[in-house]
Amino acid sequence: ETGVTQTPRHLVMGMTNKKSLKCEQHLGHNAMYWYKQSAKKPLELMFVYNFKEQTENNSVPSRFSPECPNSSHLFLHLHTLQPEDSALYLCASSQAAGQGAGEQFFGPGTRLTVL
Amino acid sequence: AQKITQTQPGMFVQEKEAVTLDCTYDTSDPSYGLFWYKQPSSGEMIFLIYQGSYDQQNATEGRYSLNFQKARKSANLVISASQLGDSAMYFCAMREGDSSASKIIFGSGTRLSIRP
Repeated sequence: ETGVTQTPRHLVMGMTNKKSLKCEQHLGHNAMYWYKQSAKKPLELMFVYNFKEQTENNSVPSRFSPECPNSSHLFLHLHTLQPEDSALYLCASSQAAGQGAGEQFFGPGTRLTVL
Repeated sequence: AQKITQTQPGMFVQEKEAVTLDCTYDTSDPSYGLFWYKQPSSGEMIFLIYQGSYDQQNATEGRYSLNFQKARKSANLVISASQLGDSAMYFCAMREGDSSASKIIFGSGTRLSIRP
């Protein structure tokens, strides 16, 4: 595997379900990100992890719970979601602070539908 | 206030023509970075080009170049000799500060369609 991978690619869940999104990067980066992309809205940053520590939580509801066990893996745990949470969830990674331009490399995304 | 503004929701361009996608930004930080990303219908965001606020020359990457006008706070993307595969959403983005792990703010995007 190369680059940034995300699983599953598509997910349909009910409002009472609990599910998790997984992201893995094979680029040797130390910063990882979760974004939400809804129709007709700009990309919204949700969380930032730098060297496994959460450095940004962009006022995300607690029904979204991130986990970063190491610099290569990032999870987004979902529970009691609402239909308006249906969106494309993108994971990204970048080099650590002070290294490079900071361009982020994105995974293919998980298309989430909440019924 | 919006920090990244892309005023063209959609554009149609004839194949092989050059196209300019507009982007203006707003920041008071003297150190920042500007990015362009391409998002095809498959959904993946693809990094195209980067311009640092202290870079003296406009960035270029193959058919992509960034027309950086610092005083006007604009960072337009120029695609030369457009191809059908260039049809996609294009996002301008900005990182404030000089930490490469800082958050990046994205614009609302421009949908580019290339006509054969």
